[in-house]
Amino acid sequence: QVQLQESGPGLVKPSETLSLTCTVSGDSISRNYWTWIRQPAGKGLEWIGRIYGSGSANYNPSLRSRLTMSVDTSKNQFSLNLSSVTAADTAVYYCARGDSRAETYYKYLEYWGQGTLVTVSS
Amino acid sequence: DIQMTQSPSTLSASVGDRVTITCRASQSIGRWLAWYQQKPGKAPKVLMYKATSLESGVPSRFSGSGSETEFTLTISSLQPDDFATYYCQQYNNYPTFGPGTTVDMK
Repeated sequence: QVQLQESGPGLVKPSETLSLTCTVSGDSISRNYWTWIRQPAGKGLEWIGRIYGSGSANYNPSLRSRLTMSVDTSKNQFSLNLSSVTAADTAVYYCARGDSRAETYYKYLEYWGQGTLVTVSS
Repeated sequence: DIQMTQSPSTLSASVGDRVTITCRASQSIGRWLAWYQQKPGKAPKVLMYKATSLESGVPSRFSGSGSETEFTLTISSLQPDDFATYYCQQYNNYPTFGPGTTVDMK
């Protein structure tokens, strides 16, 4: 069974960098696409971006200038760095695995972590 | 961006009702559409993919239809566990989600 677990600071100051890590069990990080999604309180879902095990990434155009994703195959983890954060970045952040069917370039999301709340505040 | 809309935003229903949620895309996405169910404080769970395919383990009372720009999710007989918020997501281009439809108790 594939399981994902987000970790990282729950509070980040404005203008600083938000850093989160997702630890994967039950699957190899070297395969499949690994995705970050966020959800502000009471609002809908926003796709942040994804990274393949090789390190190739695709980002949401609206966040691209502030976003970096990476993978650590030795730890079976992938990470998110979002720079210059503001209150608008306050949200529950989810990591997820894209579907493994080789039918389309982008994926729907088969497995999700439980989510972690990140608050941007001084 | 491909914009996704959903209707209604809220739907009040009773156990046993047939429930239909509509999702529309701002441009053609073929059949690259997924539906998710989310309960308060929980991660979304995928129900349908490629518009009409039922994810493994999901009850058969859920079904999907549509293509190109208009899609529906139908629950044939609403069960107590189905009161939740439902999101559509297109993955023809970089993924975008609909705003959600909340199914609550009438």
